[in-house]
Amino acid sequence: QVQLQESGPGLVKPSQTLSLTCTVSGASISTRGYCWSWIRQHPGRGLDWLGYICSSGNTYYNTSLKSRLIISLDTSKNQFSLKLRSVTAADTAVYFCARDTNSGYEFWGQGTLVTVSS
Amino acid sequence: DIQLTQSPSSLSASVGDKVTITCRASQSISNYLNWYQQKPGKAPKLLISAASGLQSGVPSRFGGSGSGTDFSLTVSSLQPEDFAVYYCQQSYSTPRTFGRGTKVEVK
Repeated sequence: QVQLQESGPGLVKPSQTLSLTCTVSGASISTRGYCWSWIRQHPGRGLDWLGYICSSGNTYYNTSLKSRLIISLDTSKNQFSLKLRSVTAADTAVYFCARDTNSGYEFWGQGTLVTVSS
Repeated sequence: DIQLTQSPSSLSASVGDKVTITCRASQSISNYLNWYQQKPGKAPKLLISAASGLQSGVPSRFGGSGSGTDFSLTVSSLQPEDFAVYYCQQSYSTPRTFGRGTKVEVK
């Protein structure tokens, strides 16, 4: 069974960098054909796809965040990470990691709330 | 970017009702349309993939249909545990996009 677990600070100050890690178990992030996504959900709102990184190392980012977002892989730890710089209160959200396929997101982390506040 | 227009945004229904939610894509996405159920404080749960493929363990009262630009999710007989928010999502291209959600509430 594939499991994902987000980790990182729950509170980030404005203008700083939000860093989250997703640890994957039950599957190798190096397996060809899979990509690994970050998705966020503002309080009481819908789901926003932020971007993904594929096992090849290729990345694709949501255009609206492209200038602030980096997603990376750490195959030695079977993890992938998100770094979002220059955060504002508008980045306060629950952040989910999930395994991306052309058949949707079958496996998700439980989500982690990140609050941007001084 | 492919826009997904989901309707209605909310609906009120009773246990036993048949409920239908629609999702329209701004361009053809073949059958690369997935449906999720989300309950408060939880990650979304994949119900249906590829427009009509019921995920393992999902009750057969859930059904999906459509192709191209028009899709629907139907719950044939709503159960108490089905009151939740439902999202469609396209996996045809990047950026991936979601519909805005449909909240199914108790009437």
